[in-house]
Amino acid sequence: GAGVSQSPSNKVTEKGKDVELRCDPISGHTALYWYRQSLGQGLEFLIYFQGNSAPDKSGLPSDRFSAERTGGSVSTLTIQRTQQEDSAVYLCASSFAPGPLDQPQHFGDGTRLSIL
Amino acid sequence: AQTVTQSQPEMSVQEAETVTLSCTYDTSESDYYLFWYKQPPSRQMILVIRQEAYKQQNATENRFSVNFQKAAKSFSLKISDSQLGDAAMYFCAYRSAFLAGTASKLTFGTGTRLQVTL
Repeated sequence: GAGVSQSPSNKVTEKGKDVELRCDPISGHTALYWYRQSLGQGLEFLIYFQGNSAPDKSGLPSDRFSAERTGGSVSTLTIQRTQQEDSAVYLCASSFAPGPLDQPQHFGDGTRLSIL
Repeated sequence: AQTVTQSQPEMSVQEAETVTLSCTYDTSESDYYLFWYKQPPSRQMILVIRQEAYKQQNATENRFSVNFQKAAKSFSLKISDSQLGDAAMYFCAYRSAFLAGTASKLTFGTGTRLQVTL
């Protein structure tokens, strides 16, 4: 597709359940980022992929959070044993590989996750 | 670690008027990029304007321009001839220019909600 695609758009789940959020980046973009936006807050970095490897996963808030990327394309963010504080909008962005010139990050529409 | 501060949670401007959104940042790096993103209710983050720290000239994109003061670590956004479609959340963001794996992420401020009135 033309842009970054995220699914589902909205997800409501019960506390303690596991959830998977999907990101399909722009074709050709080797860099992929996950951010979290809590209510009234700015975006908080979670993890960065270059290809299938994650050189920076420093923003993952706990071991309940994990992410993977396969085939250098689609990425999945998994949250295990969800807690109410996990409620937020999860945004994915992609770009060409960082280099001498800045490569702008293109964002998807996000997944709004609500934990009951 | 870098930090970005937006001290105006909300701003309001009349249609066709000019408004300035403030942003300050803290870094020990000499080379970096600064951005303003717009987030309408659709949630998608839209890049408005970008500034390279090594360039002294302020960036301009149509009705949008920045006032970049490197010594003061200030990066304000001016919107001229405001339009109803400009109403959104605006986020200031920082990115290091270094190519190390940890340097690619964006660091965001908490945002300013801009209302445009008739």
